[in-house]
Amino acid sequence: DQQVKQNSPSLSVQEGRISILNCDYTNSMFDYFLWYKKYPAEGPTFLISISSIKDKNEDGRFTVFLNKSAKHLSLHIVPSQPGDSAVYFCAASVIGSGAVNQFYFGTGTSLTVIP
Amino acid sequence: DAGITQSPRHKVTETGTPVTLRCHQTENHRYMYWYRQDPGHGLRLIHYSYGVKDTDKGEVSDGYSVSRSKTEDFLLTLESATSSQTSVYFCAISRTESATNEKLLFGSGTQLSVL
Repeated sequence: DQQVKQNSPSLSVQEGRISILNCDYTNSMFDYFLWYKKYPAEGPTFLISISSIKDKNEDGRFTVFLNKSAKHLSLHIVPSQPGDSAVYFCAASVIGSGAVNQFYFGTGTSLTVIP
Repeated sequence: DAGITQSPRHKVTETGTPVTLRCHQTENHRYMYWYRQDPGHGLRLIHYSYGVKDTDKGEVSDGYSVSRSKTEDFLLTLESATSSQTSVYFCAISRTESATNEKLLFGSGTQLSVL
């Protein structure tokens, strides 16, 4: 059963505009969330993370928003650039449980930024 | 990431044959993970290791075994490959558990085809 869901398999955005990628989760115990970016034939690379004690985290053009009550997070990319074209995965974890971190990933959203 | 090397990068094998994938890290990280990536499923955890000779199952461990005899090497074995194990396999490492700044570092992946 998929605990982390990305309901949009693909997204196309014009260069310079905002890209919004969405992610929903079902496990209310998740308290740490990450976004990864993946280019073809490469491994995923870490983009940005957020702890459940925050509702927003920014890093340059990338901002992640967390709505705990809705069990929803989103990644905003402003402005979008052609080099941002990739597959984006969200991931979630329960930290502080004393167990080894297990990261649960969504199915991914393929972003295409049109020049 | 140059600190994680997966071999082979590509492999084609026949149903019923044993297959071993290797992950080698030069980061001296304690935790190592094997994931598989499939369309519609995202990244799913197969097995993970929290130290030399210390391993545990992930969410899709059936048909797979792992071994870790040295900190730097984590082997994934398919004892008798099946077509359902055709996938892209990613190794990942992390430094600590239960930290709000923790993230996985991924290798470049192994494309495995079972005919």
